[in-house]
Amino acid sequence: KAGVTQTPRYLIKTRGQQVTLSCSPISGHRSVSWYQQTPGQGLQFLFEYFSETQRNKGNFPGRFSGRQFSNSRSEMNVSTLELGDSALYLCASSVRPGAQETQYFGPGTRLLVL
Amino acid sequence: GENVEQHPSTLSVQEGDSAVIKCTYSDSASNYFPWYKQELGKRPQLIIDIRSNVGEKKDQRIAVTLNKTAKHFSLHITETQPEDSAVYFCAASAPGGSYIPTFGRGTSLIVHP
Repeated sequence: KAGVTQTPRYLIKTRGQQVTLSCSPISGHRSVSWYQQTPGQGLQFLFEYFSETQRNKGNFPGRFSGRQFSNSRSEMNVSTLELGDSALYLCASSVRPGAQETQYFGPGTRLLVL
Repeated sequence: GENVEQHPSTLSVQEGDSAVIKCTYSDSASNYFPWYKQELGKRPQLIIDIRSNVGEKKDQRIAVTLNKTAKHFSLHITETQPEDSAVYFCAASAPGGSYIPTFGRGTSLIVHP
């Protein structure tokens, strides 16, 4: 099976802009989670989607949002970008939702905000 | 919420030595503890996980031990090889829809040939 894919792999934006990142889960996986990875904070949970519904959300401001489509593909959006949003954004898919399911990560989208 | 502490942040060993990475967690309800390996520039990959109904699990050169009473779990890598060099993350999660996985800050393991 093909692994989790994310597009784009790299992005450079300026403060105040918005960005949309895309994630395609492994075929048959219906749950998609998003994480922000930074050197200072490590891996932090953003949100989880299952059946087009957000099941859980981490401690991030409302500028971070996401959605899931009927084919399980997911997008996340960050509006009004700040310098501190520079990070590697990882998505992970699992067969079922829940923190105890084995998660398979994508390669990530590296976002640089200038 | 859950808090996971991971130590050390950096671990340097000689090829062939053993490496041990330790994590502690705060939520006694947590019962699933995966470990991920992230090589430089690559995605995190699950290498081993343990659930609270067992105290130890082994897979070739890697093993994980869990002490639920003390709320800590450890990753053991024996006979380390240069290709083991990576950042290792532990995580803890509890059952229930409202729980989210909480990760440790990561340990950078360097294996010198």
